[in-house]
Amino acid sequence: QSALTQPASVSGSPGQSITISCTGTSSDVGSYNLVSWYQQHPGKAPKLIIYEVSKRPSGVSSRFSGSRSGNTASLTISGLQAEDEADYYCCSYAGSSTWVFGGGTKLTVL
Amino acid sequence: QVQVVESGGGVVQPGRSLRLSCAASGFTFSSYAMHWVRQAPGKGLEWVTVISNDGTGKYYTDSVKGRFTISRDDSKNTVYLQMSSLRGEDTALYYCAAEKSGSYHFDYWGQGTLVTVSS
Repeated sequence: QSALTQPASVSGSPGQSITISCTGTSSDVGSYNLVSWYQQHPGKAPKLIIYEVSKRPSGVSSRFSGSRSGNTASLTISGLQAEDEADYYCCSYAGSSTWVFGGGTKLTVL
Repeated sequence: QVQVVESGGGVVQPGRSLRLSCAASGFTFSSYAMHWVRQAPGKGLEWVTVISNDGTGKYYTDSVKGRFTISRDDSKNTVYLQMSSLRGEDTALYYCAAEKSGSYHFDYWGQGTLVTVSS
């Protein structure tokens, strides 16, 4: 499988909103409501922040939201905070018990 | 509390083998499929393999098929990754991740164990 396509970097000022896109194909993102998003701070393990396109695990801030249109999923972070600065990865189920990640997006809070 | 702890990484020569272990606690291990996800230095995450909660299903990304084998021992709440014919491109931090069976996302992650393939 080819990795899902994410922008290499995005940035925003505190309080602003940003959106990270994640483009796949009709075989993965477009076929299943099974896109998840992970936040990874430097030197740390990834943390689940969105699953099934738009659901938030318990304890994850409501400032994080997800959506999908066709073969592209999106993660929106509203009210940016300094602690949101991290790498973000999308992941989609790709059928036949396989998964595919995006290349990752580095979020800089200015 | 939930703990996922990987071990077994190290420096290994190309063509040699290595076995990674992942010990889990704090959740019902037998209800979770277990995955290995790797991250090459400075690169993104790459899904590697999964074993179903009952151990009957094992699936691999194409680049490791025939070289890597995943297994689990529910009596020890541990999952293993046997890696053979290692290549330079297998150099990565290997994470173990837990998926509530049938949920298709990774709830719990370990801190990773580093595998370096170099002569």
